[in-house]
Amino acid sequence: EPEVTQTPSHQVTQMGQEVILRCVPISNHLYFYWYRQILGQKVEFLVSFYNNEISEKSEIFDDQFSVERPDGSNFTLKIRSTKLEDSAMYFCASSEPAGQQNIQYFGAGTRLSVL
Amino acid sequence: DAKTTQPPSMDCAEGRAANLPCNHSTISGNEYVYWYRQIHSQGPQYIIHGLKNNETNEMASLIITEDRKSSTLILPHATLRDTAVYYCIVRPAGAASKLTFGTGTRLQVTL
Repeated sequence: EPEVTQTPSHQVTQMGQEVILRCVPISNHLYFYWYRQILGQKVEFLVSFYNNEISEKSEIFDDQFSVERPDGSNFTLKIRSTKLEDSAMYFCASSEPAGQQNIQYFGAGTRLSVL
Repeated sequence: DAKTTQPPSMDCAEGRAANLPCNHSTISGNEYVYWYRQIHSQGPQYIIHGLKNNETNEMASLIITEDRKSSTLILPHATLRDTAVYYCIVRPAGAASKLTFGTGTRLQVTL
């Protein structure tokens, strides 16, 4: 069964450093998303991406965040200068292009620890 | 997006049916009901979705009331592996629309 793959599973970084979280969406999917979940809190939407453009972003997704689809398979989330409060699980999701079903499938997540 | 209300927790004996309710009284005509679950801190897992008809797949059944103001997710024979947080999400139709997660229902399946 096709799945969304995220790497690394755990990323430890120092405050102020840049991190790039990587995702390989399901191959025929055209819509891509990032969500995050701070420990003990809700899963929160960050950004959606389609046709090489951001479709929607939340208030959390400020200038410190960026997304990119550098090639035909990867979808990345970059945090330019990490803060302690960026520590969270980051989930990538993708959905297929057809119709209104738009089921989002999630990866296993990357745990980001900012020290 | 329409708001959903779910009980914070439920218990179910293994082998029995787990019936998880969700209230979405402000749902609008073009909004679907989606159910996801999250086991520990893993990525949310899609279960099922529907618009107005009842739906069934290999994982679960979804019963939506005629007025669409509430729904019930049914796991017909719960196992220990079904212990998770279950999220009921109402979402507009249309590509790339986000999922808005609430706090969900923590289902504990016991022996």
